[in-house]
Amino acid sequence: EDKVVQSPLSLVVHEGDTVTLNCSYEVTNFRSLLWYKQEKKAPTFLFMLTSSGIEKKSGRLSSILDKKELFSILNITATQTGDSAIYLCAVGSTSGSRLTFGEGTQLTVNP
Amino acid sequence: NAGVTQTPKFRILKIGQSMTLQCTQDMNHNYMYWYRQDPGMGLKLIYYSVGAGITDKGEVPNGYNVSRSTTEDFPLRLELAAPSQTSVYFCASSPVGVADTQYFGPGTRLTVL
Repeated sequence: EDKVVQSPLSLVVHEGDTVTLNCSYEVTNFRSLLWYKQEKKAPTFLFMLTSSGIEKKSGRLSSILDKKELFSILNITATQTGDSAIYLCAVGSTSGSRLTFGEGTQLTVNP
Repeated sequence: NAGVTQTPKFRILKIGQSMTLQCTQDMNHNYMYWYRQDPGMGLKLIYYSVGAGITDKGEVPNGYNVSRSTTEDFPLRLELAAPSQTSVYFCASSPVGVADTQYFGPGTRLTVL
């Protein structure tokens, strides 16, 4: 059974701090790892990672995958209150067209 | 384009009642999914479909049924609602070839009392 574990489960920081969110996984026939941001409603797509060591970047957010150690990190620099959300990690397998999600990290950024 | 739409946004059911959650996408995506999200938890896959007429069970299918008669629509049926089905339900879709980049609807918050 595929498994995704995220840590920490919750995190409270001050504006301007840098945070690192972790995602480890066990999956048969890995295809991709994805990060989503969930504010009050539906998750929205952030990154998809398929290759080790290649950083994906979007503004203050960046992510990297280590397929040997089976984990990914999501970094957010100079955090803002608008970054407060649940960050979900998911993995896809070549065995099917479905994703397995982790429990998410609840990030709270205080002014 | 509206993307993925879901109705209703909120619903309260009594134990034993039935209902259908509607999901429609206008992006011509072949793949569609139903998830539930319990408080403080990630998303659990209920059912998914890789095209019209084809559906398959996910991690937590018990108590639910789906059908996919068209590419656009993927309704989720709850029969004999139970308090354990109190959750937020998300529908998602993705295109063939980029199946992992799923687009989510706004969700339906269901309470069973």
